[in-house]
Amino acid sequence: AQSVAQPEDQVNVAEGNPLTVKCTYSVSGNPYLFWYVQYPNRGLQFLLKYITGDNLVKGSYGFEAEFNKSQTSFHLKKPSALVSDSALYFCAVRDGDNAGNMLTFGGGTRLMVKP
Amino acid sequence: EAQVTQNPRYLITVTGKKLTVTCSQNMNHEYMSWYRQDPGLGLRQIYYSMNVEVTDKGDVPEGYKVSRKEKRNFPLILESPSPNQTSLYFCASSVRLAGGPGNEQYFGPGTRLTVT
Repeated sequence: AQSVAQPEDQVNVAEGNPLTVKCTYSVSGNPYLFWYVQYPNRGLQFLLKYITGDNLVKGSYGFEAEFNKSQTSFHLKKPSALVSDSALYFCAVRDGDNAGNMLTFGGGTRLMVKP
Repeated sequence: EAQVTQNPRYLITVTGKKLTVTCSQNMNHEYMSWYRQDPGLGLRQIYYSMNVEVTDKGDVPEGYKVSRKEKRNFPLILESPSPNQTSLYFCASSVRLAGGPGNEQYFGPGTRLTVT
């Protein structure tokens, strides 16, 4: 069975500082990894994904994530946080070797960016 | 505008009273899915559909039914709702390329269901 762990329920960072939201995963086949963001009273919005290729992937709103196969991690990063980045962030994994489209989400990490 | 719509957005009901939450997408997506979101548990998949008349169970299908008679619609049915189905529900859709599960999903705005 596949799984995703987001070890921090909440991450606090000052505006202008770099941010990292952690994600580790477990999957039997090739990992397809995703980050989604959820703003209050909204559905999830896609941020970025890793399928293959460069380990560092860039996405929307200046976010990027680094795939690390040996550590089975896919941490989300941003060089300079904005107050408007405050939201709930979800990491998700899918088995790339399985044509069935099961997507497994982590429990979510709330990012609070203070002015 | 490309979007996934859900109705109703909010629903309060009583135990045992059948209800349906509708989901519709206008992007001609083959793949559709239902999730429930509970604090600390993230999103858990209830059912998904690869295409018309093709549905399959996700992680937490008990107490739910779905149907996919048309490509654009994927209703979620609770035949006899119970309080443990109180949750925030999301519908999602994506393009599904043959053999390629790497497509991002588009999510609806959510339906907050309370069962008393």
